[in-house]
Amino acid sequence: EPEVTQTPSHQVTQMGQEVILRCVPISNHLYFYWYRQILGQKVEFLVSFYNNEISEKSEIFDDQFSVERPDGSNFTLKIRSTKLEDSAMYFCASSHLGTSGSSTDTQYFGPGTRLTVL
Amino acid sequence: DAKTTQPTSMDCAEGRAANLPCNHSTISGNEYVYWYRQIHSQGPQYIIHGLKNNETNEMASLIITEDRKSSTLILPHATLRDTAVYYCIVSLNSGYALNFGKGTSLLVTP
Repeated sequence: EPEVTQTPSHQVTQMGQEVILRCVPISNHLYFYWYRQILGQKVEFLVSFYNNEISEKSEIFDDQFSVERPDGSNFTLKIRSTKLEDSAMYFCASSHLGTSGSSTDTQYFGPGTRLTVL
Repeated sequence: DAKTTQPTSMDCAEGRAANLPCNHSTISGNEYVYWYRQIHSQGPQYIIHGLKNNETNEMASLIITEDRKSSTLILPHATLRDTAVYYCIVSLNSGYALNFGKGTSLLVTP
C-alpha cells in the first residue's frame, strides 16, 4: 500500500541553524501538508500546498518557515533559523484531490520527523 | 470549521466493541466527519469518514445521527493495538487543514 515517507526520522540541530525536513508524498496525490506536534500537545496545522503554491497557512507558519516541491516527488519544509520552541514532531501529509470528500479522498500522514533544537 | 467535543478518555475490554462518541452540533450541511487515531507519537492514521450515511470499512463503523449533530465511531472487536488517541474532526473536505483537538484517549485492557 502506498505511504507517505519522511526523512530523517530524528534531526538534532543547534539554535539558529537552518533545517530542511523532507517528505515523499503518495505518488498520485496533489495536495501536500505539514503539521507539527509539540511533546504532549495536540497536532497543529502549519501549511497546505497545491499546484506549486501555498493554499492555506496557520499563524504558526511565519517567515521562518518555507515549503517547496523541488522535484516531482519531494516536498520539503525549511526552518531558516531554528528556535528552542521549534522542537516538535513534524508530520507531512498528502491527499489526492482535496475537493471531493469521496471515500478515497483523505489526508494520509507520514511517520514524522522528530526535531530537537538545542 | 465546526468544533467537536469528545470525552477525554475511555476504557474498553479487549474483544469488546469500543464506542467513541463525538458531538459536532455546529456542523454545516457540506462538512464531513473524519476520524483519525494516533498511536503514541506516530503519524495520525485515517480511520473513516462520512457525510450523512453510516459508513463501514475494515477498521471501523461510523454512525452519524440523522440531525448530524453527533456521531459514534465503533471498533467492533477492540484489541490491545487499538489503544490510541482518537480524533473526531469536521472538515469541508480533505483539502483543508484538519483541526485535531485533544481527542479521546482509548485504553484497551486485557
